[in-house]
Amino acid sequence: EVQVVESGGGLVQPGGSLRLSCAASGFTFSSYAMSWVRQAPGKGLEWVSALSGSANTAYYADSVKGRFTISRDNSKNTLYLQMNSLRAEDTAIYYCAKGGWYQTPFDYWGQGTLVTVSS
Amino acid sequence: DIQMTQSPSSLSASVGDRVTVTCRASQSISIYLNWYQQKPGKAPKLLIYAASSLQSGVPSRFSGSGSGTDFTLTISSLQPEDFSTYYCQQSYTTPWTFGQGTKVEIK
Repeated sequence: EVQVVESGGGLVQPGGSLRLSCAASGFTFSSYAMSWVRQAPGKGLEWVSALSGSANTAYYADSVKGRFTISRDNSKNTLYLQMNSLRAEDTAIYYCAKGGWYQTPFDYWGQGTLVTVSS
Repeated sequence: DIQMTQSPSSLSASVGDRVTVTCRASQSISIYLNWYQQKPGKAPKLLIYAASSLQSGVPSRFSGSGSGTDFTLTISSLQPEDFSTYYCQQSYTTPWTFGQGTKVEIK
């Protein structure tokens, strides 16, 4: 059974940093791209970042480029999102999802972790 | 960026109704259009991928069609558990983009 479980969310001040983690199981982790998608309170879905299975290609939304870094440890079946210079508008539930690549949907999602940026 | 526009933004329907949600892309995306269902407080769930392929485990009352710029999600006979918000998403090119969502409510 495919499972993805996020952790690391919380309350952080504007300008601060946070690292999210996503533990995956039930599939060959290194063979699949992985992504982060966020949802601000009461709003729609916004793709944030994606990383290829081999970690050699990463993509970012313009809204986070230069502030967020996606990475993965295939030996630990874990995806990460390092978030720096956080802003109030980064407040959202962050979902980890399997997939999210060219011609590939987000086929399995975690339950999400809430990030709140506020003073 | 490719803009995805869903219509309607919301609709009211009764159990047993046939429901159609449309999604339009700002440029051609071939067949690389996916549909998700999201219930309140829950993660999205993939329903349809590549415009018309049903994800494993999804009831056959859900179907998708279209190519190029115009796509449709159809629920043939609405069930109580289908009252949710539905999102389309293009996987043709980065940045991957979603529609604004269509909320299906009980009439």
